[in-house]
Amino acid sequence: DTGVSQNPRHKITKRGQNVTFRCDPISEHNRLYWYRQTLGQGPEFLTYFQNEAQLEKSRLLSDRFSAERPKGSFSTLEIQRTEQGDSAMYLCASSARYAGPSEQYFGPGTRLTVT
Amino acid sequence: QKEVEQNSGPLSVPEGAIASLNCTYSDRGSQSFFWYRQYSGKSPELIMSIYSNGDKEDGRFTAQLNKASQYVSLLIRDSQPSDSATYLCAVIFGGSNYKLTFGKGTLLTVNP
Repeated sequence: DTGVSQNPRHKITKRGQNVTFRCDPISEHNRLYWYRQTLGQGPEFLTYFQNEAQLEKSRLLSDRFSAERPKGSFSTLEIQRTEQGDSAMYLCASSARYAGPSEQYFGPGTRLTVT
Repeated sequence: QKEVEQNSGPLSVPEGAIASLNCTYSDRGSQSFFWYRQYSGKSPELIMSIYSNGDKEDGRFTAQLNKASQYVSLLIRDSQPSDSATYLCAVIFGGSNYKLTFGKGTLLTVNP
């Protein structure tokens, strides 16, 4: 079990540029989540996939944000026209296929800095 | 608004002592509770999950849940300097099977 992986680990971009992050979940996990964490705060939920279906999207996710999980395996999170307020750690987590709540395991995160 | 509250700390304990971390939550219908440890600059690491009232022990860690009081705690016995980290309480509120709502975390420092 190699755990959740995320790429890149760090991204520095200029305001107005587009960025894309990738998450590879634990192989047998069908649920995938994106969270965002800023300094001094706990992670905040952004969106959730069960297999390839995006089942919920937080109001935190403006129209500039889009997430996909095309084949129910890896997922991408794209931010268009980045703003300085987008600077944060973007965390991906995955969990196993159970009917109810299950434990979520986080990847190492992608730290985004918008200059 | 469904919330998870934690004392931000810092909580400072001497090496070998018991560290007690506390968390309260606002939704009485919540069923699933988790403790994560987060080292500075790193991602959260799952330590414990608890779903039923009472205590759950795993090595030096004990999670305690009291749904009537809407309170969950984490005890760390024989605290080590390597336990120094931020501890995040997370709750899946009633009506969801998956969305974690986190507290802001408590910074624990274990002094040698």
